[in-house]
Amino acid sequence: EADIYQTPRYLVIGTGKKITLECSQTMGHDKMYWYQQDPGMELHLIHYSYGVNSTEKGDLSSESTVSRIRTEHFPLTLESARPSHTSQYLCASRRGTGNGVSVKEAFFGQGTRLTVV
Amino acid sequence: RKEVEQDPGPFNVPEGATVAFNCTYSNSASQSFFWYRQDCRKEPKLLMSVYSSGNEDGRFTAQLNRASQYISLLIRDSKLSDSATYLCVVNQNAGGTSYGKLTFGQGTILTVHP
Repeated sequence: EADIYQTPRYLVIGTGKKITLECSQTMGHDKMYWYQQDPGMELHLIHYSYGVNSTEKGDLSSESTVSRIRTEHFPLTLESARPSHTSQYLCASRRGTGNGVSVKEAFFGQGTRLTVV
Repeated sequence: RKEVEQDPGPFNVPEGATVAFNCTYSNSASQSFFWYRQDCRKEPKLLMSVYSSGNEDGRFTAQLNRASQYISLLIRDSKLSDSATYLCVVNQNAGGTSYGKLTFGQGTILTVHP
């Protein structure tokens, strides 16, 4: 079993609220990712991080922000939730140093199902 | 054009059948390739990595063609438990603006029936 955890598993919240989705891993992985996935649809990368104090936006335009102050922690924040944010959010991590070194598989958390009403 | 594209499917096959999935990627600098499996309402899990020389794991065989920027997955002797969505995953891990980005294809749904 992968040691990557997401909380909460399920969240129903009103429009306009600020929310933070938590993701933590105890594997010492340097790379972490946030994906958004609607039911039966593909995963869209919204943010990723190479390591502490590095974050990048992914392919999907999102009103969310992330931070990476500690290796093990990569929270995702929505400043003002909207019904269009209703989706599943998946966090992943992996170890990999690139430049010829073998890149390892990514491990996923169980996801947070967010509903904005 | 999407960075990673897969056969749209769905594939409906009987038990024991052999089924093949294809995937193409647009970034020639991509270095690492994987096949993931995702069950309904679950998180994706690694099925197998894809190596340049091709690799096999039991009933599963993965192939990589760098010249054509093409990856494949072959499943032999399909089982009911193989029913899932199969995701092609590509990573660029050697510099460039997409360093470290892990990109998923849209997935191919496989249903194996008795």
